[in-house]
This record gives sequence, C-alpha cells and structure tokens, in this order.
Amino acid sequence: GENVEQHPSTLSVQEGDSAVIKCTYSDSASNYFPWYKQELGKGPQLIIDIRSNVGEKKDQRIAVTLNKTAKHFSLHITETQPEDSAVYFCAGQTSGYSTLTFGKGTMLLVSP
Amino acid sequence: NAGVTQTPKFQVLKTGQSMTLQCAQDMNHNSMYWYRQDPGMGLRLIYYSASEGTTDKGEVPNGYNVSRLNKREFSLRLESAAPSQTSVYFCASSALPGQKNTEAFFGQGTRLTVV
Repeated sequence: GENVEQHPSTLSVQEGDSAVIKCTYSDSASNYFPWYKQELGKGPQLIIDIRSNVGEKKDQRIAVTLNKTAKHFSLHITETQPEDSAVYFCAGQTSGYSTLTFGKGTMLLVSP
Repeated sequence: NAGVTQTPKFQVLKTGQSMTLQCAQDMNHNSMYWYRQDPGMGLRLIYYSASEGTTDKGEVPNGYNVSRLNKREFSLRLESAAPSQTSVYFCASSALPGQKNTEAFFGQGTRLTVV
C-alpha cells in the first residue's frame, strides 16, 4: 500500500518568513495529494490539493509543488502569520475510490 | 449545513466497557471514514465505507467494529475498551455520487480516554 513520509515534524519560523513542508510517497499510481491544516481542538481542514497532471498550484500565500518523477510534493507558505500556527498533514491517494494515506504531520509555530 | 457531526465530544471509559461513537454527514457523500489520531502517529484509518452497504478494514481495525446505518450515518463501536484505545477519533466523509479522489471533510473529533 501507499506510504507517505513527512518532514520536518516541527518547524518554527518568525512572522513574515516562508515555511516549507515536504512529503514523499511510495505508490507511483497515486494521483491526488491534499494538504490539511489542523488547529488545536479541531478536525483537519483542506487548505490546498494537487493532482498528478499538474506541477504546481497556488492559492494566495499557499502553494504546492509536485514532482512525480521523484515522488515528492511540498507545501510552501509565504509571509507567515501567527494564525498559520497549526499542525499540517500531507496525504496521498491512488486513483479510484481508495482511501487517503496521511503523513505524520508537521507542527508549524509562527512567532510574532 | 452542519457538515460532519460526531457525538460525543468527550468520553471516559473503564477498561472492558463498550461504547459507540456516532457520526452523521449531511453532504450526500458516498464515502465515510473513521480515523484515530495519536501523538506522533498522524491520522490512521480504522475502517471505512466506500458506499452505503459496504465497509472495509483500514490500517488499525483490531478492537473496533463499524456500521454504515444509512447513507448519512457511520458508527464506530468499541466492544471491550482497552487503554491502548485512548485516542482522538475523527469521522470524515467525501465524494458526491460519481466523484473520485475529492476533499474529505472531518468532524470535530471525539476525545476518548480509557482508564
């Protein structure tokens, strides 16, 4: 089955800096890669996703890149703000009706 | 539009007790999931239901059973709770009819402690 590795496990940045979280996946058949943000005491919420026919996707301060050859994808957050502090999860899913496999998460701390 | 609703939000059980976690979604999604979240372990799939009438084991199914009661509801049962089942449990749903590989919506979670 799919295996998703996520790094780093914790990331501390100063407000205004950029943050990058990286994930690798094992199953070359995976074609859908969402990123979730989990705030304290809440359930994960989708912030951006990318499909295997696209190399990069942006939404305001958030961007995701995908390298299918190397089987890795990354989340980039620019101009970080304290409200970006949360746990971020990457995930991978193969085609069809299969389930999501999640990375172990990255705790992002943005200091004012 | 409530999304995914889980009950209860908090529960303390004694070892050996049983309980059922309830989950309901109002988005007409075909697929529903139960995950557990433990520190440093991410989200691990317990059971899922790809469509009404079907259920399948995920990564960590031992000690749990599920019921897809109808399209809206998917319950998780602990028959004989063990301390190792202390965790935060999340229900999620995804996929309108005909869709594949789409956003999963999560509930707020149930924090379960087994003493």
